[in-house]
Amino acid sequence: AQSVTQLGSHVSVSEGALVLLRCNYSSSVPPYLFWYVQYPNQGLQLLLKYTSAATLVKGINGFEAEFKKSETSFHLTKPSAHMSDAAEYFCAVTSGNEKLTFGTGTRLTIIP
Amino acid sequence: NAGVTQTPKFRILKIGQSMTLQCTQDMNHNYMYWYRQDPGMGLKLIYYSVGAGITDKGEVPNGYNVSRSTTEDFPLRLELAAPSQTSVYFCASSYSGTGGAYSQPQHFGDGTRLSIL
Repeated sequence: AQSVTQLGSHVSVSEGALVLLRCNYSSSVPPYLFWYVQYPNQGLQLLLKYTSAATLVKGINGFEAEFKKSETSFHLTKPSAHMSDAAEYFCAVTSGNEKLTFGTGTRLTIIP
Repeated sequence: NAGVTQTPKFRILKIGQSMTLQCTQDMNHNYMYWYRQDPGMGLKLIYYSVGAGITDKGEVPNGYNVSRSTTEDFPLRLELAAPSQTSVYFCASSYSGTGGAYSQPQHFGDGTRLSIL
């Protein structure tokens, strides 16, 4: 069975500060991991994906995530927050042959 | 380059009414999905399809039905609407990947916001 835990349903950071959104996963086999972003009144958009090619994955809008097998984590970071980063972020996992399992989401607020 | 298109964007239904949520994709994806999103709950899979003529239940199928007569279209039908079905509904599509059927990213529509009163 696979599962995802996103620590912190709400995260607030100041504009220009580091963004860190946490994701821990459980999977019996090497996973595929995804981060999606959802802006208000829109669908989910892919930020980045991990497919075992490299442990540090770079995505769109300056975001990146690092796969740490020993910690079963795939945390999302961005060095400097921008007002336009305010959104809800979802981590998701699949073994490849199981349907995607989503976390419950983290709402990111940027403080001017 | 439309991607995944959902209609309508908003709808209010009365208890007991029925309706069909439309979803179409122009990427020739073989896999399609319906999710519902409720506050603080993430996305729950309602139904999915691995190709035209093939559908299967997801995590929360009760009260819903689907069909997939073409690669492009995957409508979701609500019969006898209930207040518990008030939610935001998302359709998504993907290719099946060489790393596994579900290893490829899913592409999402903008959702249908449904209220049942």
